[in-house]
Amino acid sequence: DVKVTQSSRYLVKRTGEKVFLECVQDMDHENMFWYRQDPGLGLRLIYFSYDVKMKEKGDIPEGYSVSREKKERFSLILESASTNQTSMYLCASSSGQSGANVLTFGAGSRLTVL
Amino acid sequence: QKEVEQNSGPLSVPEGAIASLNCTYSDRGSQSFFWYRQYSGKSPELIMSIYSNGDKEDGRFTAQLNKASQYVSLLIRDSQPSDSATYLCAGGDSNYQLIWGAGTKLIIKP
Repeated sequence: DVKVTQSSRYLVKRTGEKVFLECVQDMDHENMFWYRQDPGLGLRLIYFSYDVKMKEKGDIPEGYSVSREKKERFSLILESASTNQTSMYLCASSSGQSGANVLTFGAGSRLTVL
Repeated sequence: QKEVEQNSGPLSVPEGAIASLNCTYSDRGSQSFFWYRQYSGKSPELIMSIYSNGDKEDGRFTAQLNKASQYVSLLIRDSQPSDSATYLCAGGDSNYQLIWGAGTKLIIKP
């Protein structure tokens, strides 16, 4: 019954490494999102995509990039990981424009950068 | 700057009582509001959405929206220990982006 799958539950990387976080949804949703969640700061939007090959910056895109080559897959890339990118990363998807804010989340990927 | 504010808690409520969670927002352009529940170590899940002024009930949950006062609330009746979680309030506009509160931690005491 898994609907949004994130490839890695826990990752430990070193400063300067390139990091790929993969997200796949099986609900045929148009919209996909990447958030990070830090204690006391709530959810902050990094990037979102409302169509294949389309991407839009969220509130905190600096240091991140994304790729959406297929409708079901949305990847988050940290080109050169830094310690301040240690966080929980949450992928989410939603359907269409009218349902854009009704999100289904993946289980999350906890990234530690040493 | 668009903001959604919630008391971080923890809010402690006896089992069987009514839990009342509150949220205020600054953006008058927000048209829809959502309550997500997040258990410790888990991801958020949607429990209620509300789009117009007034009350919306779903089982033990009631969402209330007052756009004039820019105020959203969630009532949980007959609170159960399984309701213990962090509750995230979010406001949405037409631009795919939700404005999130930092969440209120709710503890239901048996």
